Amino acid sequence: DIQMTQSPSSLSASVGDRVTLSCRASQSISNYLNWYQQKPGKAPNLLIYAASSLQSGVPSRFSGSGSGTDFTLTISSLQPEDFATYYCQQSYSTPYTFGQGTELEIK
Amino acid sequence: QVQLQESGPGLVKPSETLSLTCIVSGGSISSNYWSWIRQPPGKGLEWIGYIYYSGSTNYNPSLQSRVTISVDRSNNQVSLKLTSVTAADTAVYHCARVDSSGWGYFQYWGQGTLVTVSS
Repeated sequence: DIQMTQSPSSLSASVGDRVTLSCRASQSISNYLNWYQQKPGKAPNLLIYAASSLQSGVPSRFSGSGSGTDFTLTISSLQPEDFATYYCQQSYSTPYTFGQGTELEIK
Repeated sequence: QVQLQESGPGLVKPSETLSLTCIVSGGSISSNYWSWIRQPPGKGLEWIGYIYYSGSTNYNPSLQSRVTISVDRSNNQVSLKLTSVTAADTAVYHCARVDSSGWGYFQYWGQGTLVTVSS
C-alpha cells in the first residue's frame, strides 16, 4: 500500500494568513493526488484533484501543487469558513489511501 | 446535482454482518464507479472498495475477505456488506461516486451513517 503522510498534524493560523499544508507519498504517484476539506459531522468535500486542478465551485484561494512524492495545498488568505481538517488522498493505485489529516485551527 | 444517501442499522452485534444501502439520486448509476469509505470516530478515512456499474469490484486487501459491494441498477442503489464485525468496524460509513475520467477522486459523497458494533 502507498502510505500518505501529512504535515503538520495540526496548525493554528489567523484569518487572512497564507497557509501551506504538506502531503508526502511513500512512492511516486505522479500527480494522482487529491485534497479534501472536512468539517465536523460532515462528509469530506473535494477541493483539488490531479494535484493542481481546482474542483468546480471551490474558491480560488485554494491551490495545489506537486508531483511525484511531495505535494502542497495552499490557502492564500484564510477565511473563517476554512477552519477544518484537510486530507490528501492518492488515486495512483488501489488500495486508495488517505493521509491522517491536518487540522487547521483558529489562532 | 448527484445526491447520495446511506441507510442501514446503526447498531450491529459483534460477529454479525453489517449491511448498508446507498441510494443515488439526481444521476444514474450507469457508467460510474461507486465507493464505500469509512471513518472511525475521531480518526481518518479508510477506503473500503469500489464497484463499477457493470458489477466489477475492487476491494481493500485489508477487508477483502469480509466485504461485498453490489449494485442494483434498477433501483439506483449500491450496497455494502461486511461480515464478522468487531468493535474495530465501528465507524461512519460513506458512499461516494468516483470520478469517471480516471483520476480516481471522490467527487460526490453521502453524508454518512454511523454504525456502532456492540453487544
